[in-house]
Amino acid sequence: DAGVIQSPRHEVTEMGQEVTLRCKPISGHNSLFWYRQTMMRGLELLIYFNNNVPIDDSGMPEDRFSAKMPNASFSTLKIQPSEPRDSAVYFCASSRHNSGNTIYFGEGSWLTVV
Amino acid sequence: QQQVKQSPQSLIVQKGGISIINCAYENTAFDYFPWYQQFPGKGPALLIAIRPDVSEKKEGRFTISFNKSAKQFSLHIMDSQPGDSATYFCAACGSTGFQKLVFGTGTRLLVSP
Repeated sequence: DAGVIQSPRHEVTEMGQEVTLRCKPISGHNSLFWYRQTMMRGLELLIYFNNNVPIDDSGMPEDRFSAKMPNASFSTLKIQPSEPRDSAVYFCASSRHNSGNTIYFGEGSWLTVV
Repeated sequence: QQQVKQSPQSLIVQKGGISIINCAYENTAFDYFPWYQQFPGKGPALLIAIRPDVSEKKEGRFTISFNKSAKQFSLHIMDSQPGDSATYFCAACGSTGFQKLVFGTGTRLLVSP
């Protein structure tokens, strides 16, 4: 089975530009998560969806960040406008919705905003 | 109350030694405690997990010890190998509502040859 697929793997962009990160969860998984990882703050949950519906977006840092899940096999995380402090690795993860089910992470999108 | 505190931040162990990483939590509603392993350039991957109905779980060289009364759990890596060098995250979540894992801050393990 294919794992969680993220694109792009690496992105370098200029401050002020729009960034769109994409994620394809594992087929059959109905929960999807976006995490951000930095040296300073570790792994932070930004938002999670269940059955394509955003359940908790309390981790989204500010209005510049938005996430959508138009269908069960695709999600986007958008940053507009991007800032240097947004530089981080962004992980998408998915699981079958049930406590104790394994969350499977993608390999991450490495974002650098210059 | 949602925090999971993890220590140490970094750890150096000689090959063949025992690596021990500790975590503590506050929320008594947590009932699922996984450990994730992350290699450089990769996403975290589930290593081993435990529920509070048992005090210990062992899978190969990896063991979770769980102390419900102290609200602490730890990962032991026996016979540590250079290939175990990675960052380890503990995590916790509850079973009511939607699953929302709370991660510790991570421990960077280096196993020297």
